[in-house]
Parts: sequence; structure tokens; C-alpha cells
Amino acid sequence: GESVGLHLPTLSVQEGDNSIINCAYSNSASDYFIWYKQESGKGPQFIIDIRSNMDKRQGQRVTVLLNKTVKHLSLQIAATQPGDSAVYFCAETILTGGGNKLTFGTGTQLKVEL
Amino acid sequence: EPEVTQTPSHQVTQMGQEVILRCVPISNHLYFYWYRQILGQKVEFLVSFYNNEISEKSEIFDDQFSVERPDGSNFTLKIRSTKLEDSAMYFCASSQYSGANVLTFGAGSRLTVL
Repeated sequence: GESVGLHLPTLSVQEGDNSIINCAYSNSASDYFIWYKQESGKGPQFIIDIRSNMDKRQGQRVTVLLNKTVKHLSLQIAATQPGDSAVYFCAETILTGGGNKLTFGTGTQLKVEL
Repeated sequence: EPEVTQTPSHQVTQMGQEVILRCVPISNHLYFYWYRQILGQKVEFLVSFYNNEISEKSEIFDDQFSVERPDGSNFTLKIRSTKLEDSAMYFCASSQYSGANVLTFGAGSRLTVL
């Protein structure tokens, strides 16, 4: 069936380095993608989103890239900080279907080393 | 900053017992959701709720589950007869609009079924 998955379960980076977290999706009908951050003991927290008519979107220290040709999504975090340590999930949905049902990926644990 | 609050934070119950998880969505939000996350696994969609009725539900949301908005502030998830496999973190979320918008998640209620 359709699914969203992440390439790496754990990513370790040095403080100050850039982080890249990847996600593969298989539902070609998905047209809206979101990255969530989940810290221990908390619910998913919105980071950034992108629609399928865009290739790139930038926020504060974060950039999301969408490659529809290979159905790939990535989250780039610039100058990674200890506070960025968390599990990161990508999620997809179909806006024409209301966009209410998010399909989440497996999650990548980001560990920032001092 | 407005937040979604959930109670209890952790509930332990015996198999076969009924459980009610409570959520207070953000006050001006109109769309409400329940998701669950089995330990170490993906966040999974359960149900979305709008205008006092279910708008979409997943295959997980079988007859053992029900949702209710008993008053103007609470949104509840009831599991009628809990099974061991219902053990998970249950997240409530709300959004102001449908479609491309940000879901705000609560911190979750951990349910442990013995």
C-alpha cells in the first residue's frame, strides 16, 4: 500500500554542523508535506511544510526540499544546536481530500553531539 | 501560546476495561483529531471530527472506539473494551481550518493495558 518512510533511523551530528534528514514517500497523489519534531514526552511539533507545486521552502534555520520525480523529501537544519535533538517525522496528505488525515513516516532520531 | 491539553498523561488499565481519554483543543479551532503512536512506531491517524461528527476514520478506529464532544471545550476518545494492543501514546490534535494548515498536537496520553 501507500507509505511514507525515512531512510535513516538515527542521525548523529556535531553541534554547529548542518543536518539533513531524508524521507521517501510512495503516494504520488500526496500534494502537501509537513515535517514535525517530537521531543521526548511531547507531541509532534510543526516545523515546516511544503506544497507539491514547490521544490523548496525555507524557514528559520530549516529548509525543506521536495523532489517529486523521485518522491523524496528532505529537511535541512543549519547550524544544528543541542535543542534540535529530537525525533523528526515527515508526513503527507492530500489536500483535495480535506487534508485532515496525515500519514506519518517512521521517524529519524537526531542526536546533536557537543 | 495556545496549546492542546490532554488528560490523563498516563493511564494503566486492565484488559477489557473502558478507558476515556480527554482533550481540550485550542478554543477557536474547529477540526479535531486523534492519532496514536505505539512505542517505537509511526504516529497513526485514528479519526478526524468536525461539526459534531466524524469526517474520516482509519481502519484502526473500529467499533471499540468512539469520539465525542460533550461540551464546547472537551473532545474525548473512548475505548470500550481495551486490548493489550491498544497500549500506545494517544495524541489529540486540533486545527482551525481544513486542508493546508497546521495541526497542533497535545503532549499525549500514554495508555498501558495489562
